[in-house]
Amino acid sequence: AQSVTQLDSQVPVFEEAPVELRCNYSSSVSVYLFWYVQYPNQGLQLLLKYLSGSTLVKGINGFEAEFNKSQTSFHLRKPSVHISDTAEYFCAVSRFSGGYNKLIFGAGTRLAVHP
Amino acid sequence: GAVVSQHPSRVICKSGTSVKIECRSLDFQATTMFWYRQFPKQSLMLMATSNEGSKATYEQGVEKDKFLINHASLTLSTLTVTSAHPEDSSFYICSARDLGNGGGNEQFFGPGTRLTVL
Repeated sequence: AQSVTQLDSQVPVFEEAPVELRCNYSSSVSVYLFWYVQYPNQGLQLLLKYLSGSTLVKGINGFEAEFNKSQTSFHLRKPSVHISDTAEYFCAVSRFSGGYNKLIFGAGTRLAVHP
Repeated sequence: GAVVSQHPSRVICKSGTSVKIECRSLDFQATTMFWYRQFPKQSLMLMATSNEGSKATYEQGVEKDKFLINHASLTLSTLTVTSAHPEDSSFYICSARDLGNGGGNEQFFGPGTRLTVL
């Protein structure tokens, strides 16, 4: 069975500092991987996705992630964060089940950017 | 493009009443929509997969008679919480896949509906 582990429930960081949000997955087959951001009382917005090809994936808002098959990781990074990046971040893996590609989400990481 | 809306954004109801939540894909067709539930400070849990013109597929542990799903058209799916109780209070989020995008793996999410049952 596939699962997603987000190693940090909360990550505090100062504005303009770099940040890395960690995500590990378990799967015995090829996977599609996603990072979503959720602002308070809102739905999810896709930051980036890995389907195939280059292991370094660039997304919106200056975020990027690297797919590492040997370490089964898909960590999210940003070189310089802004106050507006404060939000909940979810890593997800796509699982084919019942004829559909379904998303399995990690528990989420709360990124808190301080001035 | 690829916008998904939900209505209402927030609803408060009395225990025992039923509440209907709508999920619409505004600028694309979606044969498949997904319904999620999110408790405070927790992740999203898939409740069911909704298919246009056929019965929804529910995840294990989700009561199909409690959470009625109707996918009446390629742009609309509804979730009805029947005989709601306080433990049904949660944030309900829908998502849709863009049929025109080759039925790809990306899901587009609605803004969510906050249900509070008194």
